Amino acid sequence: SQTIHQWPATLVQPVGSPLSLECTVEGTSNPNLYWYRQAAGRGLQLLFYSVGIGQISSEVPQNLSASRPQDRQFILSSKKLLLSDSGFYLCAVSGTGVQPQHFGDGTRLSIL
Amino acid sequence: AQTVTQSQPEMSVQEAETVTLSCTYDTSESNYYLFWYKQPPSRQMILVIRQEAYKQQNATENRFSVNFQKAAKSFSLKISDSQLGDTAMYFCAFLVNDMRFGAGTRLTVKP
Repeated sequence: SQTIHQWPATLVQPVGSPLSLECTVEGTSNPNLYWYRQAAGRGLQLLFYSVGIGQISSEVPQNLSASRPQDRQFILSSKKLLLSDSGFYLCAVSGTGVQPQHFGDGTRLSIL
Repeated sequence: AQTVTQSQPEMSVQEAETVTLSCTYDTSESNYYLFWYKQPPSRQMILVIRQEAYKQQNATENRFSVNFQKAAKSFSLKISDSQLGDTAMYFCAFLVNDMRFGAGTRLTVKP
């Protein structure tokens, strides 16, 4: 079965600082990978998804970016964080084809 | 556009009773998948149950079952014999090419 590692679990960053959140997956190959953001008490907003190395689709234009340097590694980045970037970030993985998504434990990001 | 609507922001139920969470969706696709996810206070997202649109039989997983009404585009979740550990946010999700989530329903199970 697949395992999703997401770190750090919590992060406090000042406005204007850079960001790098990492997600790695074990137990599967060529997965579809996703980054979601969840504001407090709200639903999930899809930020990026990737169907393969170097292939990134952006759902919402913003100051965040994503990269997939390896098959089972997905990175969420920002050069300059905004207050509005605060939230709970979840990495998800699904197999090829129509498969449900399974989630990592998330990163709670607070911007000061 | 595919949308998922959960019209009940919050619900509560007494322990051991039954509760139904509603979900409606909008799509022009004929083949798709529907899911219910549970997010407890730990904030981990846990897949509860899935339903393939081409299957008429409603999915069940232990105390969890769905009422899938394809013509009405409705996908409700019934939780029987509610337990304190069922307290969580519940998200309905719809999958064609990518996953779309509803805004969630916060369920509280009271002792």
